Amino acid sequence: AQSVAQPEDQVNVAEGNPLTVKCTYSVSGNPYLFWYVQYPNRGLQFLLKYITGDNLVKGSYGFEAEFNKSQTSFHLKKPSALVSDSALYFCAVRDDQGNMLTFGGGTRLMVKP
Amino acid sequence: GAGVSQSPSNKVTEKGKDVELRCDPISGHTALYWYRQSLGQGLEFLIYFQGNSAPDKSGLPSDRFSAERTGGSVSTLTIQRTQQEDSAVYLCASSLAAGVYETQYFGPGTRLLVL
Repeated sequence: AQSVAQPEDQVNVAEGNPLTVKCTYSVSGNPYLFWYVQYPNRGLQFLLKYITGDNLVKGSYGFEAEFNKSQTSFHLKKPSALVSDSALYFCAVRDDQGNMLTFGGGTRLMVKP
Repeated sequence: GAGVSQSPSNKVTEKGKDVELRCDPISGHTALYWYRQSLGQGLEFLIYFQGNSAPDKSGLPSDRFSAERTGGSVSTLTIQRTQQEDSAVYLCASSLAAGVYETQYFGPGTRLLVL
């Protein structure tokens, strides 16, 4: 069975500061990792994914994530937060066998001016 | 091009009634997924379709839930004899193919409220 943990329900950051949203995972076999963002009353928007290769993945809107196999983590980062980044962020994992994504519980990011 | 579309955007129904939720995937996408987002359970997988293969129904919570995909495109999720615990946002996603590395693109969801 696969699982994802997002240990922080909410992350508060001042605009212009760097942000990190944490994600750890558990899978048997190779992990395929995804980050999505959800704005109020909207569906999930894809940000980035790790499949193989370079551990640092760059995605939409200036976000990036670092895959760390030894720590089974895939933290989402951005060097300089914007107020418009305030939203709900979901980490998800898929393994070699599964058809579906398994999601973490989500982290609400609040960026204050 | 157009993204995944879902209808209705909101649905209010009475306990015991049946409801149908519709999903139009991105044109050319062969894989289609249904997920449910609720306060208590978070985001959970319901069912998956890939081409003409038998669907993966492993996530359906009860036999009151069923889904079909006609012509390899549009999908309908049906909930019979709705219960209050069925209240949730139902999200549909599609991907170009079925590989584990494929990105799933989500629709805006249908918000279902069972009174």
